[in-house]
Amino acid sequence: GESVGLHLPTLSVQEGDNSIINCAYSNSASDYFIWYKQESGKGPQFIIDIRSNMDKRQGQRVTVLLNKTVKHLSLQIAATQPGDSAVYFCAEIPGANSKLTFGKGITLSVRP
Amino acid sequence: NAGVTQTPKFQVLKTGQSMTLQCAQDMNHNSMYWYRQDPGMGLRLIYYSASEGTTDKGEVPNGYNVSRLNKREFSLRLESAAPSQTSVYFCASRIGVNTEAFFGQGTRLTVV
Repeated sequence: GESVGLHLPTLSVQEGDNSIINCAYSNSASDYFIWYKQESGKGPQFIIDIRSNMDKRQGQRVTVLLNKTVKHLSLQIAATQPGDSAVYFCAEIPGANSKLTFGKGITLSVRP
Repeated sequence: NAGVTQTPKFQVLKTGQSMTLQCAQDMNHNSMYWYRQDPGMGLRLIYYSASEGTTDKGEVPNGYNVSRLNKREFSLRLESAAPSQTSVYFCASRIGVNTEAFFGQGTRLTVV
């Protein structure tokens, strides 16, 4: 699989490979993080979340890793499928504040 | 269960016209949000309401006003539309701390 930071707009992977999408967050007070998937013409959809007292959380085919030391978040997608093609966003929430802010997003393109 | 409903889905305005974007959720959520999404810019927070009776500015509040009409409804008003406000607008809601937000399907607004 490939990994790329959110400063690059597109990640292209081969169907069946693993994908890794990275996100650097800026607010050290953030203690809750969410990954969203957005398909063309639709609103963002929740994928997985993680709280700051955890380093790793697994879902179905997805894993989120949190490294608080370097303020880094990643989303791993196992056995990437064509239906995974979308834009992916990370989001953070600082402390008890309700403010929910997003990173710029990355487009994942799956090659058949 | 409708979730988050936005109206209208599409709108074309002339410069200087005003309009209100409507958002309603039926999930008994406490917090509601308005975002705009421009190509290559990701989701930017305009205003949010942490709970009924409160509203706060987000990253890009200029040119907009909001009203948290009741727990279900959160409206976004453009008093004098400008071409720079051409965008896709998303409303979201969440129940509280450390929970994910649910999004509506968006309103595509064009200002000519």
